[in-house]
Amino acid sequence: AQSVTQLGSHVSVSEGALVLLRCNYSSSVPPYLFWYVQYPNQGLQLLLKYTTGATLVKGINGFEAEFKKSETSFHLTKPSAHMSDAAEYFCAVTLFDQGAQKLVFGQGTRLTINP
Amino acid sequence: EPEVTQTPSHQVTQMGQEVILRCVPISNHLYFYWYRQILGQKVEFLVSFYNNEISEKSEIFDDQFSVERPDGSNFTLKIRSTKLEDSAMYFCASGRLNTEAFFGQGTRLTVV
Repeated sequence: AQSVTQLGSHVSVSEGALVLLRCNYSSSVPPYLFWYVQYPNQGLQLLLKYTTGATLVKGINGFEAEFKKSETSFHLTKPSAHMSDAAEYFCAVTLFDQGAQKLVFGQGTRLTINP
Repeated sequence: EPEVTQTPSHQVTQMGQEVILRCVPISNHLYFYWYRQILGQKVEFLVSFYNNEISEKSEIFDDQFSVERPDGSNFTLKIRSTKLEDSAMYFCASGRLNTEAFFGQGTRLTVV
């Protein structure tokens, strides 16, 4: 069975500082990994994804994540936080079973940006 | 850019009533999903739907729930006899073979 653990339900950083949101997963087969962002009262927007190939993936809004199989991690980073990055971030894992996708989400990390 | 649309954005219903949440997936997508997010909690998988039938469902998706693709474009989630604990944000998503799912903006269901 797959599962996702996000370390830290709430992360607070200063504007301009490094953002690091942690995600560890468990999966019996090579996973597909995703980060979604949810702004207040809105839906889920895909930030980035890892399927195969290059382990460092770049997403929208300057975010990137690195798939580390040895550490079963897929941490999300951004070099310099912006006020507009304040949101809830969800890590998710899936495997494609006969074409269908069942995402398993982590608990989410609320990112607060301090001026 | 094509998007998944959900209606209504907010639904208030009395306990015991039936509700239907509606979704229009992206037109060339073949896989459809419903997820639920109780306030302050994580997003939970409810059901996946492909080729006019349920392909997988979670333990949350009991007999109270049903899904339907009535006319080839809409994808609905019906909740019979709603309970207070059904209050949540419900997200519809769609995708193609082995690609990520695209999510709608969600319907906030409030059961009173």
